Amino acid sequence: ILNVEQSPQSLHVQEGDSTNFTCSFPSSNFYALHWYRWETAKSPEALFVMTLNGDEKKKGRISATLNTKEGYSYLYIKGSQPEDSATYLCAFRGGGNKLTFGTGTQLKVEL
Amino acid sequence: KAGVTQTPRYLIKTRGQQVTLSCSPISGHRSVSWYQQTPGQGLQFLFEYFSETQRNKGNFPGRFSGRQFSNSRSEMNVSTLELGDSALYLCASSFSLASGEQYFGPGTRLTVT
Repeated sequence: ILNVEQSPQSLHVQEGDSTNFTCSFPSSNFYALHWYRWETAKSPEALFVMTLNGDEKKKGRISATLNTKEGYSYLYIKGSQPEDSATYLCAFRGGGNKLTFGTGTQLKVEL
Repeated sequence: KAGVTQTPRYLIKTRGQQVTLSCSPISGHRSVSWYQQTPGQGLQFLFEYFSETQRNKGNFPGRFSGRQFSNSRSEMNVSTLELGDSALYLCASSFSLASGEQYFGPGTRLTVT
């Protein structure tokens, strides 16, 4: 059974704070690591697909890094804004299109 | 380009009944995957269809089944509904079997009473 774990489970930060979350996954049979952002009542939105060890990706104030040898990925948000409030999911892909998701980190950014 | 659509958005059924959910992928996408989300369990993979064939299956009982049509639209069916089947069912589409991105629909919220 594949184990994808995310921490912390939830996070409350103030507007302007920078924050980061962790996703750990099996280091064997790795194909890709996906990050999604999921706001209540909306569809999960793809943030990044990461495939190479050492990959670093950035979209605006959000960035992610990948270490496939030790099986972890970090997601960083710089200068958090209230609109960043959402659940952030990571998903491990070992081949094909099957995604194994972590349970997510719920972020709340307060004014 | 229109996104992934799912119908219906909400559904209430009684224990023992069956239900069919529908998913229309992004135009040109040929792979459709289904996921179940329950509180505390996160998103669990149900199955994937590509070119009208089931390519991958998660660890769910045989009451959960699906199919894909020649236009890539997919349906999933749950027979003999149980209270524990109450969940959000999401489908995701991608261009091929090993595409980088998967795009999710808004989901169907199923409540079993």
